[in-house]
Amino acid sequence: EAQVTQNPRYLITVTGKKLTVTCSQNMNHEYMSWYRQDPGLGLRQIYYSMNVEVTDKGDVPEGYKVSRKEKRNFPLILESPSPNQTSLYFCATYASGHNEQFFGPGTRLTVL
Amino acid sequence: SQKIEQNSEALNIQEGKTATLTCNYTNYSPAYLQWYRQDPGRGPVFLLLIRENEKEKRKERLKVTFDTTLKQSLFHITASQPADSATYLCALDMKTGANNLFFGTGTRLTVIP
Repeated sequence: EAQVTQNPRYLITVTGKKLTVTCSQNMNHEYMSWYRQDPGLGLRQIYYSMNVEVTDKGDVPEGYKVSRKEKRNFPLILESPSPNQTSLYFCATYASGHNEQFFGPGTRLTVL
Repeated sequence: SQKIEQNSEALNIQEGKTATLTCNYTNYSPAYLQWYRQDPGRGPVFLLLIRENEKEKRKERLKVTFDTTLKQSLFHITASQPADSATYLCALDMKTGANNLFFGTGTRLTVIP
């Protein structure tokens, strides 16, 4: 079954404590993205990757890092989380030459 | 500035009626426009894509129109059912690379039995 998985699904943490949200896909897609979703602002892209070792900033990259060492995984790293990074995060993938994006189930992050 | 607006935050309709959702945009020139459905606590799910040179696209009870002159897309659900209740997101696809989707804030549709 085609799947995008994210872990953890829920996380409450404190300001400054480094965390990583993992994303994994089994569809062999080249493209992977991270979005955050906030009320009234919609989905906004944080970072994206066009293939292994190729990443670039989206619209709201400040305070985040990513890496793409393997095609299937695209972790999102918050080195020093702050309360304004409290949000719902989605990982998404799509195949080169196609437009349909497949989203993961989301990670709800609260930074106290 | 660039803006994507979806008609209303919430829309209630009676079961069996046609729901019409609007997506308007300014200062974009999308190559495609996509519609997604999002249920509470879940990720968006792709529904339909329409290209800039297409006027209309259909899929079962769904119909999408795209007017690049008006900078507007309409999304219709005919013979609506309570199971259609969800938030619907439009997304402009700029087709310039992986940073290519810009989302509206969504319209929450409730179909009343």
